[in-house]
Amino acid sequence: DVKVTQSSRYLVKRTGEKVFLECVQDMDHENMFWYRQDPGLGLRLIYFSYDVKMKEKGDIPEGYSVSREKKERFSLILESASTNQTSMYLCASKSGGNEQFFGPGTRLTVL
Amino acid sequence: GENVEQHPSTLSVQEGDSAVIKCTYSDSASNYFPWYKQELGKGPQLIIDIRSNVGEKKDQRIAVTLNKTAKHFSLHITETQPEDSAVYFCAASIGLSNTGNQFYFGTGTSLTVIP
Repeated sequence: DVKVTQSSRYLVKRTGEKVFLECVQDMDHENMFWYRQDPGLGLRLIYFSYDVKMKEKGDIPEGYSVSREKKERFSLILESASTNQTSMYLCASKSGGNEQFFGPGTRLTVL
Repeated sequence: GENVEQHPSTLSVQEGDSAVIKCTYSDSASNYFPWYKQELGKGPQLIIDIRSNVGEKKDQRIAVTLNKTAKHFSLHITETQPEDSAVYFCAASIGLSNTGNQFYFGTGTSLTVIP
C-alpha cells in the first residue's frame, strides 16, 4: 500500500515564525503536491513537484515555498507565518498514472 | 484555468436511500475526473474515477456518470449506509501527464446518512 506521511498532525505557531511541514512517500512517486483545505473552498493547490529539485506554482503560492531535495520528501515552508495561513495542509503523491494518494493532513494554527 | 463547481454543499439522506452529488467543469480539455472521500481526521481517498472516453462507471454501490457535452459529472451512491457519511470531493484534471498534471477540486459535499 502507498503510504504518505506528514510530520505533524497538529501544529501551533506564532505570527512571523518560519514553519516547515514535511511530507514523505514510500512508493517512489515522481509527483508530489501540497494543498491547503479550507471550509467552503475545497482543496487548493499551493505547489507541486514532478521531479527532484523541480517545483511548479499552483493556484495560491504566495507566502509559501517548497523544497524537494530527495524523491521521497517534499517540504512546504512558510517563511513568515501569518494568521491567514491557519488551515489544514494536505500532501499528496502520484506516479505517472492519475491517482493521487493523500497524507492524513497537518492542521496548522497560527496565533 | 479550470473551474470545478460542486453541489450540494451538504446532503442528508436516510439509510438505504440514494445520494447524488453533482459537479460541473469549465475546461473541455479536462479528461480525468476522480471522486475522493474524506473521513474525519483523514486525508482524501480515491473512491472512483472516470476518464472522458467513458460515460459511466460502476463499482458496487457507487457509480459516476459523465456528460462531456454539458461538462458535468455526478457521483451516485445507492443503498447508503452510515459509514458512507463523509465529505466527498470531485476533481478534474488533464490526465496522464508525467509533469504532474494539476487537479482542480470542487468545494466538497458533506454527506450524512441518518440511521
